[in-house]
Amino acid sequence: DIQMTQSPSFLSASVGDRVTITCRTSHSISSYLNWYQQKLGKAPKLLISDASSLQSGVPSRFSGSGSGTDFTLTISSLQPEDFATYYCQQTYSTSYAFGQGTILQIK
Amino acid sequence: QVHLVQSGSEVKKPGSSVKVSCKASGGTFNNYGINWVRQAPGQGLEWVGGIIPIFGTPNYAQKFQGRVTVTADKSTNTVYMDLNSLTSDDTAVYFCARVAVALSPHHAFDIWGQGTMVTVSS
Repeated sequence: DIQMTQSPSFLSASVGDRVTITCRTSHSISSYLNWYQQKLGKAPKLLISDASSLQSGVPSRFSGSGSGTDFTLTISSLQPEDFATYYCQQTYSTSYAFGQGTILQIK
Repeated sequence: QVHLVQSGSEVKKPGSSVKVSCKASGGTFNNYGINWVRQAPGQGLEWVGGIIPIFGTPNYAQKFQGRVTVTADKSTNTVYMDLNSLTSDDTAVYFCARVAVALSPHHAFDIWGQGTMVTVSS
């Protein structure tokens, strides 16, 4: 199975900050890496698919990059509504592993 | 626009089983994979299993092999997840989610159900 290592687990930041979350996989997954945002009590929301494809309706301050085993999600200028938990997920293997999650908190 | 609507909350005894449904409305159903993802209280996301209805062959996480059954009823656009031998560790919100690209398992989950809380308690 492909193992996912997402970091950091917790991130404290202020409105307007630029933040980066990383996801590393145990085997190369090409670009089959997705990012989700989850708010308390809600279903996850797909932000970015295939490492860098921004979903329709997702603000352009969100971006993704990487391929192979190392990936990043960047939020260029944090807005109040961005404070949530973020997960990466691989879909290269149909074990569909998720990262452990990053809780993004207001400083 | 496709919507996924799940069945309601369940409370089950240890050792029993639970069956959760996920009904698709508003679009094509049979060609898109539907997966089940669970989230225990305060924990992360865990993939359980899934199926592409038109193919009918399910795929399960190794952790749940032998304990979970995912089926699809193409006549009602509904996918079911049946989990047996429940323990308190199975207490979680169970989400169904659709794969974004038809006839392919290697893509993101773009549409999610609202979640079903399953509580296992004696």
